[in-house]
Amino acid sequence: GAVVSQHPSRVICKSGTSVKIECRSLDFQATTMFWYRQFPKQSLMLMATSNEGSKATYEQGVEKDKFLINHASLTLSTLTVTSAHPEDSSFYICSARDWASGGPYNEQFFGPGTRLTVL
Amino acid sequence: GDSVTQMEGPVTLSEEAFLTINCTYTATGYPSLFWYVQYPGEGLQLLLKATKADDKGSNKGFEATYRKETTSFHLEKGSVQVSDSAVYFCALSDGSSNTGKLIFGQGTTLQVKP
Repeated sequence: GAVVSQHPSRVICKSGTSVKIECRSLDFQATTMFWYRQFPKQSLMLMATSNEGSKATYEQGVEKDKFLINHASLTLSTLTVTSAHPEDSSFYICSARDWASGGPYNEQFFGPGTRLTVL
Repeated sequence: GDSVTQMEGPVTLSEEAFLTINCTYTATGYPSLFWYVQYPGEGLQLLLKATKADDKGSNKGFEATYRKETTSFHLEKGSVQVSDSAVYFCALSDGSSNTGKLIFGQGTTLQVKP
């Protein structure tokens, strides 16, 4: 099946620094990638939708200047957490939508997630 | 807006017990419904889906039926195994918008004991 990878799997950084998380679709082209945030024992919260070659669409309440998303190719999207603070510590998950299975029956393939800890 | 509500966990069962995890939804339009599973240390995987009313999704012994009249999509399995221990998420996708956005329930942790 379709595989989505994320790198790094976990990262610890100091407050005020920026962290980049990569999401790659390994064996298919992803016209759309999604970025989620998951708090402990809570659901996934959609942060933004990333379409290849265009600006990301952010959900209400998500700061686009803080969470920079770039989807420069059909296999790579990046999320950069700028000037990270301890409250940004979370589990970040990406998913990618297979070009071939577009239409209303969307299936998203999920990455394994990245655990961000900001000290 | 659209939303999904799942029964709270954790759900603890003995091996070979019957499993039901309730899921209800609120949506405008005609959503597709999904169950995803997240095994420890792994990403979410699609378990099953249903795209219209009365459809039954099934996979690996799990089943769920899209009930429009009760706005529900309950997950069932007749005989659980220890390997089914995971977090299960119910989700919907708004088919009318074609954005592909998924809205998730809060997740239900299943623990199966030998």
